[in-house]
Amino acid sequence: GAGVSQTPSNKVTEKGKYVELRCDPISGHTALYWYRQSLGQGPEFLIYFQGTGAADDSGLPNDRFFAVRPEGSVSTLKIQRTERGDSAVYLCASSLERELTQYFGPGTRLTVL
Amino acid sequence: SQQGEEDPQALSIQEGENATMNCSYKTSINNLQWYRQNSGRGLVHLILIRSNEREKHSGRLRVTLDTSKKSSSLLITASRAADTASYFCATPSGDMRFGAGTRLTVKP
Repeated sequence: GAGVSQTPSNKVTEKGKYVELRCDPISGHTALYWYRQSLGQGPEFLIYFQGTGAADDSGLPNDRFFAVRPEGSVSTLKIQRTERGDSAVYLCASSLERELTQYFGPGTRLTVL
Repeated sequence: SQQGEEDPQALSIQEGENATMNCSYKTSINNLQWYRQNSGRGLVHLILIRSNEREKHSGRLRVTLDTSKKSSSLLITASRAADTASYFCATPSGDMRFGAGTRLTVKP
């Protein structure tokens, strides 16, 4: 079956702009996770959804970052007033239930100029 | 904060040798998971070991878990050049926390 997909695969934007990153999880997976990963580092947890609600958003670095999952499937990560330090690969993963195996998408590489 | 911490940070071996990576974590867990990431993007799940298991095998992979020491190890036997990747342990507690990973290089 289809895996986790993320769009766009690459996004180049200018400092101060707004961006949206999309994640399509595996159908039927109730849990959805967003991470960001800088070069040479492990994935850094951002936010976790259980269904439509954000069960844990403690990893969001500041209020410029926001994520939604209105119907419990597709999720969008929104970044306002982007900064150069936001440049990273943003990874999305889904799992059937919390704490079980996560299936990762290919990521979106965000570059803020 | 990161939960899993891998050791060593980097490991370079010859094809055919075994590779051992270690992971330490801080809090109590229900399970511990190992993932691999080739240069590029997404992570691929390798193996999940539950807190009541001490050892688990999958092909050339062997994972051990010592909950008293809050540590786990991943052994890759008879390594291949294609095993070259970064390996991460992760411990779920609602969310999932990853360490910085072990960068494994297998030389042909």
